[in-house]
Amino acid sequence: IQLTQSPSSLSASVGDRVTITCRASQGISGYLAWYQQKPGKVPKLLIYIASTLQSGVPSRFSGSGFGTDFTLTISSLQPEDFATYYCQQLNSSPFTFGPGTKVDIK
Amino acid sequence: EVQLVESGGGLIQPGGSLRLSCAASGFTVSSTYMSWVRQAPGKGLEWVSVIYSGGTTYYTDSVKGRFTISRDTSKNTLYLQMNSLRGEDSAVYHCATHQVPYYYYGLDVWGQGTTVTVSS
Repeated sequence: IQLTQSPSSLSASVGDRVTITCRASQGISGYLAWYQQKPGKVPKLLIYIASTLQSGVPSRFSGSGFGTDFTLTISSLQPEDFATYYCQQLNSSPFTFGPGTKVDIK
Repeated sequence: EVQLVESGGGLIQPGGSLRLSCAASGFTVSSTYMSWVRQAPGKGLEWVSVIYSGGTTYYTDSVKGRFTISRDTSKNTLYLQMNSLRGEDSAVYHCATHQVPYYYYGLDVWGQGTTVTVSS
């Protein structure tokens, strides 16, 4: 199962609403996770089963989707949210990651 | 506290072998799914391999037949045996746990990683 993400990068300002899309090459039900990775840090799990917020993750992060099309939304971008975001499908092995979306400061 | 600490990386010539270790604490390695994920310099995350709690293993196509994932419950350690190494295997290798109670809840705990460099 291949995952594509769009856009590959984006520039945004603090306070902006940001949406990242992840598309699977075949249906994966809701078995999708989103991660945030900052430079030099390990990835951090944000959302699992497409829309469930991981404990401790701010509520400005949300996820949606089912089947092949998924979105990660940051409702009001904060300075600490500038990072690279990855989706991962966990429907079946291999548990592939998307190529990532880099969010930087406009 | 759940913690993962990788070791075993280094500089290795093409065609060589390395065994990575991932020492776990705060849980039992056989109690959940565990994956290896790698990241080449400046590149994205690449899932490499998984071992299910029942022992079933899977690999990404590029490492099938060359890499072997295993675990030792007496040492509470996960391993990745890497043979016939290639330049494209150069990366930071992370072990990670699949969140309980269901593997599809994502990778919630990650080790800091160990660096593998394949070069002559």
